Amino acid sequence: AQSVSQHNHHVILSEAASLELGCNYSYGGTVNLFWYVQYPGQHLQLLLKYFSGDPLVKGIKGFEAEFIKSKFSFNLRKPSVQWSDTAEYFCAVTVNDYKLSFGAGTTVTVRA
Amino acid sequence: KAGVTQTPRYLIKTRGQQVTLSCSPISGHRSVSWYQQTPGQGLQFLFEYFSETQRNKGNFPGRFSGRQFSNSRSEMNVSTLELGDSALYLCASSWDGEAFYNEQFFGPGTRLTVL
Repeated sequence: AQSVSQHNHHVILSEAASLELGCNYSYGGTVNLFWYVQYPGQHLQLLLKYFSGDPLVKGIKGFEAEFIKSKFSFNLRKPSVQWSDTAEYFCAVTVNDYKLSFGAGTTVTVRA
Repeated sequence: KAGVTQTPRYLIKTRGQQVTLSCSPISGHRSVSWYQQTPGQGLQFLFEYFSETQRNKGNFPGRFSGRQFSNSRSEMNVSTLELGDSALYLCASSWDGEAFYNEQFFGPGTRLTVL
């Protein structure tokens, strides 16, 4: 079955630490990849997306993600996290349609 | 520009009742999608509408239905409510119905509790 997998359920970091969240998908063919973030008490919002071109994409707030087609992966990274990055992060995919298929989400807690 | 709005924000219903949730997309957006978010199942796609037509449907029973009006506003309806329907229902809109990679803008959600 087609799916999106996020490797970590909960990540706890200290400020200034580097963050990497894993995401793998099992869809074949052309995919469009997204990372959404949900800050406490706020709406889901887009961090970044990939649909073609340079596989290293940069998003808002210093986040970036790398699409590795051979590994079916789209991992999210940030070199130095801040307390304000505490949130839930969702990887999502669309495949030739308009519906987002989400991973289970990763809760990131940044300790000051 | 105003964001996606959803009403009501909170609802409490009892089993067997039906409920209608409303979503107003961002002005100019023509695609509206609905998602269910629960702790156990995460975010799951319900359906997507574009120009008053349902284009995509997720794996939910027929008790879940929706529609879109000519002004792009959308409603979803759940009939014969079950305890398992308790969830946060999210609406998202997108400005262009042609590209699969367009950003979807999410609303705050409607928290439905079924007793």
